[in-house]
Amino acid sequence: DAKTTQPPSMDCAEGRAANLPCNHSTISGNEYVYWYRQIHSQGPQYIIHGLKNNETNEMASLIITEDRKSSTLILPHATLRDTAVYYCIVTSSNTGKLIFGQGTTLQVKP
Amino acid sequence: DAGVIQSPRHEVTEMGQEVTLRCKPISGHNSLFWYRQTMMRGLELLIYFNNNVPIDDSGMPEDRFSAKMPNASFSTLKIQPSEPRDSAVYFCASSPSDRGPTGELFFGEGSRLTVL
Repeated sequence: DAKTTQPPSMDCAEGRAANLPCNHSTISGNEYVYWYRQIHSQGPQYIIHGLKNNETNEMASLIITEDRKSSTLILPHATLRDTAVYYCIVTSSNTGKLIFGQGTTLQVKP
Repeated sequence: DAGVIQSPRHEVTEMGQEVTLRCKPISGHNSLFWYRQTMMRGLELLIYFNNNVPIDDSGMPEDRFSAKMPNASFSTLKIQPSEPRDSAVYFCASSPSDRGPTGELFFGEGSRLTVL
């Protein structure tokens, strides 16, 4: 599976959009981009995933560049409860086997 | 619907003792995963099962660790004998893997293990 690079930490003001970048320059054509988050002391929570097209659900939007070498997770109106570690994962596995990196710690501030 | 259920939530034991962690996956999910999380190493995949069969146990640290899935609704992770370096939060996750990309895992709340 392709390696991902994320900034270790980011801040965001409450109510503003949080844009979390992820670099996956070695991604292969059959690999998906997944995003998870982990709120302190809880298990990781699935957010969204995509292959080529941009995706949106009730939690977030995922923007994947045309060359698929990077992506951005967007939380449109961040709240204090969105403070968490966000993981970007790339995998082609059809077994669900995910390898978590260090992620980005997002701090949403009042 | 009930999510993934893990027990115990907290376990404190002494070095050398046997530890058994338990997991009940979401009904209908046929893939189950055991992860371990520490500050130093982050989230590590230990083993995963598909249709109750162990598929990949390459992440199991050593022979002291064993995992079983006797049926679709129950799995155990056993450490015998336990050591202080096994102290971590152990997460169980399940996934429906019948169709399409299967990276959507549902995690339990974890079992925090402290080995003194």
